[in-house]
Amino acid sequence: GIQVEQSPPDLILQEGANSTLRCNFSDSVNNLQWFHQNPWGQLINLFYIPSGTKQNGRLSATTVATERYSLLYISSSQTTDSGVYFCAVGYNTDKLIFGTGTRLQVFP
Amino acid sequence: ETGVTQSPTHLIKTRGQQVTLRCSSQSGHNTVSWYQQALGQGPQFIFQYYREEENGRGNFPPRFSGLQFPNYSSELNVNALELDDSALYLCASTRGDSGVSPLHFGNGTRLTVT
Repeated sequence: GIQVEQSPPDLILQEGANSTLRCNFSDSVNNLQWFHQNPWGQLINLFYIPSGTKQNGRLSATTVATERYSLLYISSSQTTDSGVYFCAVGYNTDKLIFGTGTRLQVFP
Repeated sequence: ETGVTQSPTHLIKTRGQQVTLRCSSQSGHNTVSWYQQALGQGPQFIFQYYREEENGRGNFPPRFSGLQFPNYSSELNVNALELDDSALYLCASTRGDSGVSPLHFGNGTRLTVT
């Protein structure tokens, strides 16, 4: 099956800093989504981005499907950005395979 | 438009018991997927239901079973509970006949097996 690797596993930032999270996958996908899981366990869909670039406020994401990676950019980080960020992928399916996540801690 | 709702929010069971978790899909969605998230790991796909039929299953034993009802709500049943079944169980719904689409999850049910 498809393997999904995320890096870095952990990230500690001061408020206001920028960061880039990476997701590598081992096979062709046409379904790639980024999620944020807050400290209370809620899993929020950030982007549905099988290819190209999207932006939503301080967050943006880019997927280069031909090179099998996706990047999530967080600018001007805030304490509320803390949590775990997951990348999840699939091919012709919405039965997604999740990576192990990047744990982000933002300090004031 | 209401989102995906799950009940109960927390549950404590004893090893060997059976448990039923419930999920109401988002309005207009006919597909429900269930995921298990163990502590410190990413969610893992359990199975999916589309128009009341199982439509794909992950690597989970038969004691994990499900149902989908005519109103597209769903249940996840786990028999003969084991300690390793302790996890956050997440439900997501989609409009399955529109192809690949974003997943939107409920808040989950946290199951503890003692």
